Amino acid sequence: DAGVIQSPRHEVTEMGQEVTLRCKPISGHDYLFWYRQTMMRGLELLIYFNNNVPIDDSGMPEDRFSAKMPNASFSTLKIQPSEPRDSAVYFCASRLHSGGGTDTQYFGPGTRLTVL
Amino acid sequence: AQSVTQPDIHITVSEGASLELRCNYSYGATPYLFWYVQSPGQGLQLLLKYFSGDTLVQGIKGFEAEFKRSQSSFNLRKPSVHWSDAAEYFCAVGTNAGKSTFGDGTTLTVKP
Repeated sequence: DAGVIQSPRHEVTEMGQEVTLRCKPISGHDYLFWYRQTMMRGLELLIYFNNNVPIDDSGMPEDRFSAKMPNASFSTLKIQPSEPRDSAVYFCASRLHSGGGTDTQYFGPGTRLTVL
Repeated sequence: AQSVTQPDIHITVSEGASLELRCNYSYGATPYLFWYVQSPGQGLQLLLKYFSGDTLVQGIKGFEAEFKRSQSSFNLRKPSVHWSDAAEYFCAVGTNAGKSTFGDGTTLTVKP
């Protein structure tokens, strides 16, 4: 398996522009997580899905952020409009729930977003 | 709500020396505990995890961690550090639903 795939790996955009980050989870996994990592705030959970349904979006910073999972093999995180403070590395992770909380999350390589 | 504290932001050890990274957690129920490693420009990779059973857990790359309920700790150890271990290490506590809360990370530098 190729692991969790994220695209693009790097994104540089100007303030006010729309940004879309993409994630392909590991085939067969039923949970998908979006995280943001910054020096100031560390690794934060933004939202997670179970069987394509958003379960907890309490970490989404504001209405400019939205996430979708139209099918089991694809998810997007959209920022509209983007602001310089959104600059961060965004990670997607997936896992297969086997009945316990110790199921391993597999992380993608991340998308480094820079908003000028 | 659960929380994780990694008291050491940065640790430097010499190659071949032993290593211990500290992690303290707060969670009302029996915790699910994880250690991840992140190399520069990479995603996080699971080193080991604990839920129940033996409180000393073995992981990949020669790492181990010990769960101490009385101290709310889950410290990561390695008896002999290699230069390739230089990375950032994250401790996390998880719920049964799979939601994990991560610490701020500890950056490990290995001196030759």
